Amino acid sequence: DGGITQSPKYLFRKEGQNVTLSCEQNLNHDAMYWYRQDPGQGLRLIYYSQIVNDFQKGDIAEGYSVSREKKESFPLTVTSAQKNPTAFYLCASSRTANYGYTFGSGTRLTVV
Amino acid sequence: EDQVTQSPEALRLQEGESSSLNCSYTVSGLRGLFWYRQDPGKGPEFLFTLYSAGEEKEKERLKATLTKKESFLHITAPKPEDSATYLCAVPWGGATNKLIFGTGTLLAVQP
Repeated sequence: DGGITQSPKYLFRKEGQNVTLSCEQNLNHDAMYWYRQDPGQGLRLIYYSQIVNDFQKGDIAEGYSVSREKKESFPLTVTSAQKNPTAFYLCASSRTANYGYTFGSGTRLTVV
Repeated sequence: EDQVTQSPEALRLQEGESSSLNCSYTVSGLRGLFWYRQDPGKGPEFLFTLYSAGEEKEKERLKATLTKKESFLHITAPKPEDSATYLCAVPWGGATNKLIFGTGTLLAVQP
């Protein structure tokens, strides 16, 4: 079955460490996105990519980095520069501009 | 500034008690409105896309409608399994594949 796979489901990070969240899709979608979800707030866009080897910053890109070397993969690195990284991270993809996103199951990151 | 506002923040219904959720938006030149369902600890699941005022879409006990300023998600005779957070989103920033999301309505349906 086609879908988006995020891993790991839970991730614990010590302060000062960089961590990378994985996102893989087999839907043949061109566009991929990373959102952050915090209690009481809507999903906020971190980065998005419409084609391979190209990506743009969203609303809250500071302290994060991404790469898009393959159509299927869009990993997100949470760097030590991100001041408040504890959150639920969601990866999504879409085929074209006017189609609904397909979301992954999310990664819950906790800084300890 | 483009915004999406959902109300109420939380709604508790008895099984079979119909109601509506609201999503109002201030984006200009709407290029679609999306509804999603999100269960705790999971990613949102796509429900509907609406493109023009007057459009309606249905799925089981859910019906989504759209006006020029807002959308409603009507829930008819809900069941406990309809309990979830319902999110709406609209495209923004001049590109139709970036979505801005509301904060959601947490629906609890009691048996």
